[in-house]
Amino acid sequence: GENVEQHPSTLSVQEGDSAVIKCTYSDSASNYFPWYKQELGKRPQLIIDIRSNVGEKKDQRIAVTLNKTAKHFSLHITETQPEDSAVYFCAAYINNAGNMLTFGGGTRLMVKP
Amino acid sequence: ETGVTQTPRHLVMGMTNKKSLKCEQHLGHNAMYWYKQSAKKPLELMFVYSLEERVENNSVPSRFSPECPNSSHLFLHLHTLQPEDSALYLCASSRGTSGLSNEQFFGPGTRLTVL
Repeated sequence: GENVEQHPSTLSVQEGDSAVIKCTYSDSASNYFPWYKQELGKRPQLIIDIRSNVGEKKDQRIAVTLNKTAKHFSLHITETQPEDSAVYFCAAYINNAGNMLTFGGGTRLMVKP
Repeated sequence: ETGVTQTPRHLVMGMTNKKSLKCEQHLGHNAMYWYKQSAKKPLELMFVYSLEERVENNSVPSRFSPECPNSSHLFLHLHTLQPEDSALYLCASSRGTSGLSNEQFFGPGTRLTVL
């Protein structure tokens, strides 16, 4: 089955700096890679996703890059703000593998004002 | 948000109790999921139901028993749990089960404590 590794497990940045979270996956058949944000005490919510036929996708201050050859993808947050503080989960999805998302272990991002 | 609701929000039970967690989705989705969230494994998939049929159970202990009577409702029946089962149990739903229709909408979770 698919295995998703996520690093770092915790990340502390100063407000205004950039934050990068990296994930690797094991199954080259994975073709959809979403990122979820979970604020303290709240439910995870999708913030951005990317398909395997695209190398990069951007939405305002967040962007995701995908390197299919190396089987890794990354979340980039620029000009971080305190409200970006949360746990971020990456996930990988294989269209033919029981219709499941496999999640990474999560990254706790703390943005210091 | 009221798209996916879960009850109860908090539950404390003894190891010999039987209880059930309930999830309901109001989004017209066809797939529903149970996840366990704990410090050891932040998002661990337990069960998937697609069009009311179980697709994957991920080797979850039999003391957890899911039930999906229709595409809008999902239950997790609990029996003789262990203290290590204490966790946040999240329900999720998705429109479909392939590609981008797999975006998962999570409920608020049930915080379970097993004494």
